[in-house]
Amino acid sequence: NAGVTQTPKFQVLKTGQSMTLQCAQDMNHNSMYWYRQDPGMGLRLIYYSASEGTTDKGEVPNGYNVSRLNKREFSLRLESAAPSQTSVYFCASSEAVGSSQETQYFGPGTRLLVL
Amino acid sequence: LAKTTQPISMDSYEGQEVNITCSHNNIATNDYITWYQQFPSQGPRFIIQGYKTKVTNEVASLFIPADRKSSTLSLPRVSLSDTAVYYCLVLYRYSSASKIIFGSGTRLSIRP
Repeated sequence: NAGVTQTPKFQVLKTGQSMTLQCAQDMNHNSMYWYRQDPGMGLRLIYYSASEGTTDKGEVPNGYNVSRLNKREFSLRLESAAPSQTSVYFCASSEAVGSSQETQYFGPGTRLLVL
Repeated sequence: LAKTTQPISMDSYEGQEVNITCSHNNIATNDYITWYQQFPSQGPRFIIQGYKTKVTNEVASLFIPADRKSSTLSLPRVSLSDTAVYYCLVLYRYSSASKIIFGSGTRLSIRP
């Protein structure tokens, strides 16, 4: 049981390049999330998926797209990377969004540097 | 936009009890309060969750007053390994969607 896994661990991009961050969970959770964490800052929600086939915007969705490929996988895509998107990206999952008692389980993060 | 508020940083010494308070003025009736711990280069990890009064587990206690506008995470007899950032999380609901907002986090430093 690996929990939440993320790939890649680290990535360097040039401005304007695109890439997809991958996330998978093996806990049979319904809900998945993408956060970004800037140096010395808290986590900000980018997008979330309450259940397979649905996605919704979080606090900072601009510049990103997501795909809930199936129940296990939730990807985050940067179509045209900008230096302002340099951050650490965390994926998380929980049994269900909208449940007050939900506990989110986090992956190890992807460090992205945009030059 | 409702949000949580925590102290930016706190210092303490090994063996002391540490209390970190989070303000959440707009918490809804059915919302729970959850605390996470984050070490450098790792994702946040669940510590404790509560709705009202007091909750205790093997690592911490959570105190929530009757008005639920704040909560206090209590770490008994801290050690150097408790040095981390602690986040308070409350689930806020807006119309038919839920917005998930982490607090800014409290950076706790424990000294020998």
